Order: sequence, then structure tokens, then C-alpha cells
Amino acid sequence: KNEVEQSPQNLTAQEGEFITINCSYSVGISALHWLQQHPGGGIVSLFMLSSGKKKHGRLIATINIQEKHSSLHITASHPRDSAVYICAVKGYGGSQGNLIFGKGTKLSVKP
Amino acid sequence: NAGVTQTPKFQVLKTGQSMTLQCAQDMNHEYMSWYRQDPGMGLRLIHYSVGAGITDQGEVPNGYNVSRSTTEDFPLRLLSAAPSQTSVYFCASSTWGEKYGYTFGSGTRLTVV
Repeated sequence: KNEVEQSPQNLTAQEGEFITINCSYSVGISALHWLQQHPGGGIVSLFMLSSGKKKHGRLIATINIQEKHSSLHITASHPRDSAVYICAVKGYGGSQGNLIFGKGTKLSVKP
Repeated sequence: NAGVTQTPKFQVLKTGQSMTLQCAQDMNHEYMSWYRQDPGMGLRLIHYSVGAGITDQGEVPNGYNVSRSTTEDFPLRLLSAAPSQTSVYFCASSTWGEKYGYTFGSGTRLTVV
């Protein structure tokens, strides 16, 4: 069983729709990261969460530590949001302090 | 700031050849790491370093060596390339407290024939 599971694997939306991508994990974590990988391959860090909720522009990330679950929401989606969104978790110290990645959710937003 | 500079962007190797993927950061980050990305799989950690002179193995270290002689540089060496090492490689860095998240290089697409 993968330690980090994302759903859905693929998502197609119409421009303007509200989008939710989910991440569940099975290990104790010190932080959870959401990353965006552009069609050209570059990876950028969107959020780091250890509790609660963060917002940046049209992107909102939430985490429920007790349920070991996080969601990434995109409001008023736009074709430029088309990318692969990756959830990654970080454990506690030593080798467990490294990131464990989900397989990603491929989002396509149609105009 | 240039961030994380990764070279080359593309490389084709013959089986048995060796090469070094370069990674340099100018943000004074303590933590640096190398990942490989294969179709249908999440990024997997190859090697990492928490500071100059300190390196350790990740999930898939076989066939790769690293060194960290300076804070800025963290090269990844393929000792004897194999077709199984065909992949996209990413270098990333962060502060130890990762306050600002991780900064990734632009990736190297490596093909071993």
C-alpha cells in the first residue's frame, strides 16, 4: 500500500469550475506539501502545511491531521491551472525527515 | 537569485558510460536532495544531504553516488549507466526548517541506450 494516495488520478474540468484534489497518507507527519508540475516539467512548491488551512490567490489547501487527509482546492479554475498536482509528506527526523510523494493528479482545464 | 540550477537538461548515454548531473543552489540551503521520476510512479529519493560533508542514501540509491563538498553544490554521479536509469532527475533544496518549502531544479531527462 502506498504511504501517500492521491485522488483522482486524472481530472478534467471546464473553465470556472471549483476543483478539489485529495491526499491521504498513512504515516505520522511533520508537514505536508503541495507541489505543481507544469506541462514543461518544472516543479514548484505551492504550500507547506502542518495544520489548518492556507490560501494563496485562487488556491486553498487544508489538512486534517487526525484523519490524515489533505485537500487542495482551486476556485474559478483556468486553463493555465492545467498541470500535475503532487502531494508529499515529511516524517520526523533522520531518513524519515525526507519527503514521500504521491503519484500526482493530472488536471486539465478546458476553456 | 538563480535558485536551483540543474545541468544538463537532456542527456543520452550508452550502457556502461558514466556521467555527472550537476546541481547548484545559491540560497544557502542546508538540505539538498536528488529524485528520479518515472511514469506512473511518484518522485523517489535517491540521495540527500543535510549539509556540507554529510550525505545519506534515500529509497533508490543503487548505481548512484553523491558528494557535498560545499553548501552550494550537490552533484549526482552515475557510475555505469544502465537502461533502468532512464528517467527524469530532479534536484531540490530547502532550509532545514523548510519554512519556504522546497525549490526544485528544472530537471534532467536522461536516456540510457
